[in-house]
Amino acid sequence: DTAVSQTPKYLVTQMGNDKSIKCEQNLGHDTMYWYKQDSKKFLKIMFSYNNKELIINETVPNRFSPKSPDKAHLNLHINSLELGDSAVYFCASSVNWGLGQPQHFGDGTRLSIL
Amino acid sequence: AQKVTQAQTEISVVEKEDVTLDCVYETRDTTYYLFWYKQPPSGELVFLIRRNSFDEQNEISGRYSWNFQKSTSSFNFTITASQVVDSAVYFCALSESTGANSKLTFGKGITLSVRP
Repeated sequence: DTAVSQTPKYLVTQMGNDKSIKCEQNLGHDTMYWYKQDSKKFLKIMFSYNNKELIINETVPNRFSPKSPDKAHLNLHINSLELGDSAVYFCASSVNWGLGQPQHFGDGTRLSIL
Repeated sequence: AQKVTQAQTEISVVEKEDVTLDCVYETRDTTYYLFWYKQPPSGELVFLIRRNSFDEQNEISGRYSWNFQKSTSSFNFTITASQVVDSAVYFCALSESTGANSKLTFGKGITLSVRP
């Protein structure tokens, strides 16, 4: 069973469109994250939710809106997609948001904007 | 200044060579954690190790070993007798007690290529 699963794996779309990426974890963790990995492989946190509550929002444009319907799911909706949004987006989860918790990552969603 | 510096960007070795990946971190906290993650060509991120700031013992797991030295703020990763399957991007990361505890700050990664 996949611990952290993201869908879709690949997403190709045009500039200006709105798209969503879904993430689910079956580990029973309380905390979930979204990271962005750019073309140079640099990984940066975007958001984190603990038990459906937002705890980290790292100066991400308002076009990005995370939603956590329950603690096992954290979806990412992106409005008005721009060329610079092309990246790999990783979802992750950890037991809780305490210091030093290992984060378990999904396989990533490769978003390409045409 | 970067909080996690991985000065080596790309390393290429021949199979069976030993290779060390360097990681230097910066923090004012006395309590923090350091991590290494592996990203193989298939793209997923695999957790390798976690070390807390109070535990400076070196860790060995098979061909992998980690050397944590607070005096030099370094957490280096050595692969002994490298294999082609070790080819990947390796990330060092820091979790500090200042701010959001659970936030991971990653280094820029080191691309390791192991040639047969």
